Amino acid sequence: TQLLEQSPQFLSIQEGENLTVYCNSSSVFSSLQWYRQEPGEGPVLLVTVVTGGEVKKLKRLTFQFGDARKDSSLHITAAQPGDTGLYLCAGGGGTASKLTFGTGTRLQVTL
Amino acid sequence: DVKVTQSSRYLVKRTGEKVFLECVQDMDHENMFWYRQDPGLGLRLIYFSYDVKMKEKGDIPEGYSVSREKKERFSLILESASTNQTSMYLCASSFPGELFFGEGSRLTVL
Repeated sequence: TQLLEQSPQFLSIQEGENLTVYCNSSSVFSSLQWYRQEPGEGPVLLVTVVTGGEVKKLKRLTFQFGDARKDSSLHITAAQPGDTGLYLCAGGGGTASKLTFGTGTRLQVTL
Repeated sequence: DVKVTQSSRYLVKRTGEKVFLECVQDMDHENMFWYRQDPGLGLRLIYFSYDVKMKEKGDIPEGYSVSREKKERFSLILESASTNQTSMYLCASSFPGELFFGEGSRLTVL
């Protein structure tokens, strides 16, 4: 079974701070996705990266896929309370079948 | 918008009871999934289905079964609930490249 470890597990920061969440595996994935889950809701897809070394930006969020396609990072610039939630990475094939999810990073951003 | 609806948001059951969790999607997706979510463990795949009456085991199928009689509906069944099945259960359907999740069903087994 492929495993995806995320770090840190918990992160509590103040509004305006920057942060990075890491997603690491010993396995190679053909694609890597990041989801955000807000309390009482299901996870929602933020981004998919498919090429080693690929960098994608979504407003204040920057996602990177490692060169060897075994790891990924999510960087948030100037965090806002609306960024609060559980961030999940997920690795797998391009059809989203049988994705392997990471252990999750719970982010809390306070005023 | 894609909508995945799970029939119950909260359930409390007793050990040994049979439990049905229902999930319906409205986008004609072929693939549907049941995940279990526990703190620190992320989402773990229980079962998935890629067509009507077709199913495959995920990573943690023990103690669970599924039913997919119609394309839009995927049911998770706990034949005899146990306390270690207390968890959040998430249903999802997929369009190539993206999973769409329901809001989750929080099951407590006493």
